[in-house]
Amino acid sequence: GAVVSQHPSWVICKSGTSVKIECRSLDFQATTMFWYRQFPKQSLMLMATSNEGSKATYEQGVEKDKFLINHASLTLSTLTVTSAHPEDSSFYICSARGIIQGYEQYFGPGTRLTVT
Amino acid sequence: QKEVEQDPGPLSVPEGAIVSLNCTYSNSAFQYFMWYRQYSRKGPELLMYTYSSGNKEDGRFTAQVDKSSKYISLFIRDSQPSDSATYLCAIRRGGGATNKLIFGTGTLLAVQP
Repeated sequence: GAVVSQHPSWVICKSGTSVKIECRSLDFQATTMFWYRQFPKQSLMLMATSNEGSKATYEQGVEKDKFLINHASLTLSTLTVTSAHPEDSSFYICSARGIIQGYEQYFGPGTRLTVT
Repeated sequence: QKEVEQDPGPLSVPEGAIVSLNCTYSNSAFQYFMWYRQYSRKGPELLMYTYSSGNKEDGRFTAQVDKSSKYISLFIRDSQPSDSATYLCAIRRGGGATNKLIFGTGTLLAVQP
């Protein structure tokens, strides 16, 4: 139980375009989802926290107009990187947390974004 | 000062060795401590979590928390090549539904057959 998927697993896009990443909880209802970014050989950095039906809360230094987060249902959250630039290339990982699962976060497999 | 600090390694050991991975943290109020394992290009998976001080054992893995020195450790006995991964310590900041995870930088472990 507590499986989280992400789609796509990797994506290449051109500079200036937007790309959307989906995060789904497959077998539980995720009241809260988190989006992290991980650069090579670095740790996971929390970008934002989203509760279903509410606006996301962004961490300091994360541009909310650049990283659009939508958590419209209890099983789906999306992260849209708008006007992507090469410096946005990174590994994006989501996690999900549900009431039944207590306060544990379950992580997705990650999405590797490369902006050319 | 970072909230969680971890030696990034890399650490290379022969198969069968005992591995010791360590982190320090800054805030004595932290109560929940986790260890995650992350294989290359995959999301992290929870290995163990510990509440407050003490030891917790699960098979070949032992998690230890020393709150007096703000030090957390993960020991792996009889290490196997399949244990080769990055190990991340994490602390839970905040309580209840508002809690967040703060991760260390991760230690890359290679177990040589």
